[in-house]
Amino acid sequence: DVKVTQSSRYLVKRTGEKVFLECVQDMDHENMFWYRQDPGLGLRLIYFSYDVKMKEKGDIPEGYSVSREKKERFSLILESASTNQTSMYLCASTPGGGALPQYFGPGTRLTVT
Amino acid sequence: QKEVEQNSGPLSVPEGAIASLNCTYSDRVSQSFFWYRQYSGKSPELIMSIYSNGDKEDGRFTAQLNKASQYVSLLIRDSQPSDSATYLCAVKTGNNRKLIWGLGTSLAVNP
Repeated sequence: DVKVTQSSRYLVKRTGEKVFLECVQDMDHENMFWYRQDPGLGLRLIYFSYDVKMKEKGDIPEGYSVSREKKERFSLILESASTNQTSMYLCASTPGGGALPQYFGPGTRLTVT
Repeated sequence: QKEVEQNSGPLSVPEGAIASLNCTYSDRVSQSFFWYRQYSGKSPELIMSIYSNGDKEDGRFTAQLNKASQYVSLLIRDSQPSDSATYLCAVKTGNNRKLIWGLGTSLAVNP
């Protein structure tokens, strides 16, 4: 079974803090994704990576950056957290190039106060 | 703009009935179609993948794909209260690594 883990289930941070969310997958998947999910807005793609050190912006990259130094790990960074970044953050992975589905981690509920 | 549309619901069915969830997509070259289930506060979980026209059955779940009409549906037979969740439709187009997501349909199965 594919296993995707995320560093925290719940996280509370203060406005202006730098926040790191980490995601690890154990299936040697090439592609990894970061989404945020908000009521009424659905899943929105922040960034994705198709290889180590490679990344592409998704639909809402502003205020976020990412890092992929190793194939199994994909980190999302909030450079200066703001209250409008309070959300559920979901990481997903999928094998490269083909038509296979994405597999999700358990999610991190981030609250910025 | 490539889109995936679902009725938001809530769709309410009695226990034991068939629940029918529908999804339409705009891009004719879409190739891969997925249904995910998401319980409140949890992450999406893959239920079904379908790639060619017709029906695909897995236990109580049947996915139906009609590329000519650009819709994909999910039937849940013998619905159970534990099926109460939001169901997300996702579509992959061409060589794009990304999925296009619908907003989901909320299903309530009443005992």
